[in-house]
Amino acid sequence: QKEVEQNSGPLSVPEGAIASLNCTYSDRGSQSFFWYRQYSGKSPELIMSIYSNGDKEDGRFTAQLNKASQYVSLLIRDSQPSDSATYLCAVSSSSASKIIFGSGTRLSIRP
Amino acid sequence: KAGVTQTPRYLIKTRGQQVTLSCSPISGHRSVSWYQQTPGQGLQFLFEYFSETQRNKGNFPGRFSGRQFSNSRSEMNVSTLELGDSALYLCASTPGASAHQETQYFGPGTRLLVL
Repeated sequence: QKEVEQNSGPLSVPEGAIASLNCTYSDRGSQSFFWYRQYSGKSPELIMSIYSNGDKEDGRFTAQLNKASQYVSLLIRDSQPSDSATYLCAVSSSSASKIIFGSGTRLSIRP
Repeated sequence: KAGVTQTPRYLIKTRGQQVTLSCSPISGHRSVSWYQQTPGQGLQFLFEYFSETQRNKGNFPGRFSGRQFSNSRSEMNVSTLELGDSALYLCASTPGASAHQETQYFGPGTRLLVL
């Protein structure tokens, strides 16, 4: 079992709809969770960080964390073509001071 | 503030050679992490440095090494290059000592091609 799992996609969503990206992790002691966006040929950039159970909203983005079920998700409302990118879920390791990245979900917003 | 810078941006080497990549973190950031990104394996953690000390290391062979200088700049070295080392090497900096709990600011990466 991978430590951080994401559906590789591609996930195709019509413009204006809600895109839902999911991530599960195996380390029950993880405390810090991140979503990064990576455009093709570019480096990752932070979208959201979340540290406690529940929802965290920032503009069109909402991160949801459920530690009991060991999953974290990212919702993108009113999806725009500029949201087309690979979204990386990252989870801190409880046993080592490092972040583990999932393999990413490729999101495509169709006009 | 200037972002994380990495040099060189592109590099072509042949098998058996060695390579040194450089990373300058955001001013004031003291932690530098290195990652290898390939289409098949995704983003893999190489190592993290804080105050010139390696704090953590990923599951890579000893051919991969790094160091950090007193000004927080970091270098990574790969010796005896193999074809499988072809990848995008990303450096990320964080302000404090807990890189795994903070936002990582990534540089543009160095794309290494081994022939």
